[in-house]
Amino acid sequence: AQKVTQTQTSISVMEKTTVTMDCVYETRDSSYFLFWYKQTASGEIVFLIRQDSYKKENATEGHYSLNFQKPKSSIGLIITATQIEDSAVYFCAMRDMDSNYQLIWGSGTKLIIKP
Amino acid sequence: ETAVFQTPNYHVTQVGNEVSFNCKQTLGHDTMYWYKQDSKKLLKIMFSYNNKQLIVNETVPRRFSPQSSDKAHLNLRIKSVEPEDSAVYLCASSPGTGRDTQYFGPGTRLLVL
Repeated sequence: AQKVTQTQTSISVMEKTTVTMDCVYETRDSSYFLFWYKQTASGEIVFLIRQDSYKKENATEGHYSLNFQKPKSSIGLIITATQIEDSAVYFCAMRDMDSNYQLIWGSGTKLIIKP
Repeated sequence: ETAVFQTPNYHVTQVGNEVSFNCKQTLGHDTMYWYKQDSKKLLKIMFSYNNKQLIVNETVPRRFSPQSSDKAHLNLRIKSVEPEDSAVYLCASSPGTGRDTQYFGPGTRLLVL
């Protein structure tokens, strides 16, 4: 069965540093899509970045990048030069054919950026 | 810029009542979704609609039913609410399925007394 696991419940870092959030997934499909979303304190959920399983290059988007380690079924999110407004809950999610293309979500990691 | 709209923002009701939540998207997307987010922030898909056809129907209680008049609207009705239905209900849309990004509404918080 498909599963997405985020073991870090909360991370706290100083502003302007780099942070990595972990995510591991389980799938039997050879083709799948991995997503990271952010939920702000207001409850708004915003898409950040996506990795397609067939792509070897790590996706990047602004100050977000991914560390995709396919043999380890791992997709870490890296945020460089963190800002106060990056404080939020970050969700990892996966979509594959087995799940009928519905998103399977991790439990989220709360990121706190300290000034 | 908000493109997925939900009403109401917040609703308080008594056990056994019927409630209905509305969702509209102005993105021209073909697929819409309803999620339930519990107090621990866990997100669970409830329903998704593609061109007015139900394509995913999780094993949610029968008192929940999605209602769609067109591809831009997907409402959620709860026939007889129970205390465990207290949660945030999030509507989302995407161009299609597969690799497509989902865009979320602000959510409707339901409190069942």
